[in-house]
Amino acid sequence: AQTVTQSQPEMSVQEAETVTLSCTYDTSESDYYLFWYKQPPSRQMILVIRQEAYKQQNATENRFSVNFQKAAKSFSLKISDSQLGDAAMYFCAYDRDDKIIFGKGTRLHILP
Amino acid sequence: DAGVTQSPTHLIKTRGQQVTLRCSPKSGHDTVSWYQQALGQGPQFIFQYYEEEERQRGNFPDRFSGHQFPNYSSELNVNALLLGDSALYLCASSPESTYEQYFGPGTRLTVT
Repeated sequence: AQTVTQSQPEMSVQEAETVTLSCTYDTSESDYYLFWYKQPPSRQMILVIRQEAYKQQNATENRFSVNFQKAAKSFSLKISDSQLGDAAMYFCAYDRDDKIIFGKGTRLHILP
Repeated sequence: DAGVTQSPTHLIKTRGQQVTLRCSPKSGHDTVSWYQQALGQGPQFIFQYYEEEERQRGNFPDRFSGHQFPNYSSELNVNALLLGDSALYLCASSPESTYEQYFGPGTRLTVT
């Protein structure tokens, strides 16, 4: 069965600094998608970034980038120039055959 | 475009009762997925509907059932409510491929 593990329940970062959230996953498949979702207190789940497993190039979306290590089954999220609005729960997720499996999340605090 | 909408926002039910939650997908989306998010956890996949049929199902008992209408909107029904069913229920819609999945704001269900 596929699983997603986020080993950091909570993290804090100073505003304008860089932070990296960790994620590992377990799968025997070779073709799949990986995502990072953000869930602020408003509860709305927002897609931050996605990575297709067959692409070796790491995805980037403005201040958000990933470090995708397929052999190690690792998919970390780097947030650069952290802003107060980045404070939220961040979920790593895996998608194969139309079913998304989420990790337990990392709560990110931004310190002013 | 209103995005994915869910109703009601909050709901309080008594153990043993039945509940129906509703979801309207984003315009142009024909696939609807439902997730249960317990407090402090990541969302768990319940099932997915496409062309008015259940296409995928997670590890949830038969008390959880659903329906999709010709206009692609969907309902989640839970029978014989248990205290453990208290959670945030998220609906997500997508076009043919789930890597473009958009989430609604959720329905908070409390079972007393």
